[in-house]
Amino acid sequence: GQNIDQPTEMTATEGAIVQINCTYQTSGFNGLFWYQQHAGEAPTFLSYNVLDGLEEKGRFSSFLSRSKGYSYLLLKELQMKDSASYLCAVNPNSGYALNFGKGTSLLVTP
Amino acid sequence: ETGVTQTPRHLVMGMTNKKSLKCEQHLGHNAMYWYKQSAKKPLELMFVYSLEERVENNSVPSRFSPECPNSSHLFLHLHTLQPEDSALYLCASSSRQGAHGYTFGSGTRLTVV
Repeated sequence: GQNIDQPTEMTATEGAIVQINCTYQTSGFNGLFWYQQHAGEAPTFLSYNVLDGLEEKGRFSSFLSRSKGYSYLLLKELQMKDSASYLCAVNPNSGYALNFGKGTSLLVTP
Repeated sequence: ETGVTQTPRHLVMGMTNKKSLKCEQHLGHNAMYWYKQSAKKPLELMFVYSLEERVENNSVPSRFSPECPNSSHLFLHLHTLQPEDSALYLCASSSRQGAHGYTFGSGTRLTVV
């Protein structure tokens, strides 16, 4: 089966750094995605990792360790607008379907 | 606007009604998807179409019936739904086999009464 775990909720302060973890156990692996979803809106693509290591894109970075089945999303210089749900998703093979975690609801406080 | 448009945004229907959800993309993508998003649960894949052919059907009850008349349009026909079918229904598209992720629509918030 497919199992993707991430914390349900996190809270952090404006200007701080937060790390959202994701662990996965899937039948195969062909890439890991992070999406951001604001309430009532479409999930939007943040990052894609298929090789081990850190991918940096502005204030957001994503890390992958395939041997550990582990990824994290790092958000720096948090802003109030970063309050959203963050979805971890794995492509388990070269097919179409992405398997999603339940999402992590991040609240950024002043 | 993400490039994937879903209508209606909100829908309330009785258990005996028949309704349809519509999804449209003009991104040149060749795969389209229906996902169900319920509170506290992961997104659940319902159907996948590639080049207008259904390639995946994840044991979805027959009261949900998809239709893909062309590569830009996807429908989800609903009939005799149950209250537990109330959820956010998300449409997505991708350029090829999910390799670069999806572009999602904003979803249809469905309430079955």
